[in-house]
Amino acid sequence: GDSVTQMEGPVTLSEEAFLTINCTYTATGYPSLFWYVQYPGEGLQLLLKATKADDKGSNKGFEATYRKETTSFHLEKGSVQVSDSAVYFCALKGPGGSNYKLTFGKGTLLTVNP
Amino acid sequence: DAGVIQSPRHEVTEMGQEVTLRCKPISGHDYLFWYRQTMMRGLELLIYFNNNVPIDDSGMPEDRFSAKMPNASFSTLKIQPSEPRDSAVYFCASSPRQGVRAEAFFGQGTRLTVV
Repeated sequence: GDSVTQMEGPVTLSEEAFLTINCTYTATGYPSLFWYVQYPGEGLQLLLKATKADDKGSNKGFEATYRKETTSFHLEKGSVQVSDSAVYFCALKGPGGSNYKLTFGKGTLLTVNP
Repeated sequence: DAGVIQSPRHEVTEMGQEVTLRCKPISGHDYLFWYRQTMMRGLELLIYFNNNVPIDDSGMPEDRFSAKMPNASFSTLKIQPSEPRDSAVYFCASSPRQGVRAEAFFGQGTRLTVV
């Protein structure tokens, strides 16, 4: 079945550092890929998405490129801020019968220190 | 729009008691989902509804769990009787449409603790 593997956290960075959170997936066909963010005490919010190969999703300085050849969707940000501290979830939605269901990775906790 | 609204935000109950979690989806969204988040298993889909009808409940862990959607603006997830292993954060989400590209909008969750 579909699955998502993302790098284990926690990740601790200093403000203005470069961020990469790795995400790889297993799915049949051409899924859509998502990054969700969960701030402390809050629900999940969509951060960005990409729906076909080579698409780049971007939002709030974060970017991720849908790489079909490596089945990856790594999240990057050039300069993190303290306010980016949160848990980040990579997720996919497969085609066919499971096109309603989001399959999530385990989440990566990011802490940014001033 | 107020977003997906869940209540209560926190619930502490004793083992064996009935627990009811509530959700109000975003107006106009035809799809509603219940997810459970635990440290061990991450985020899991429990059940989803389309136009108030349960479509897939294969993720519901046991018969102790039940979900209803009596109308387009309200859904409940009930656990009876509750057990300590049900302790988790339960999220409700809604979506305006189905399809591989459709985004889901999540509520703030209900943190359930069963002692």
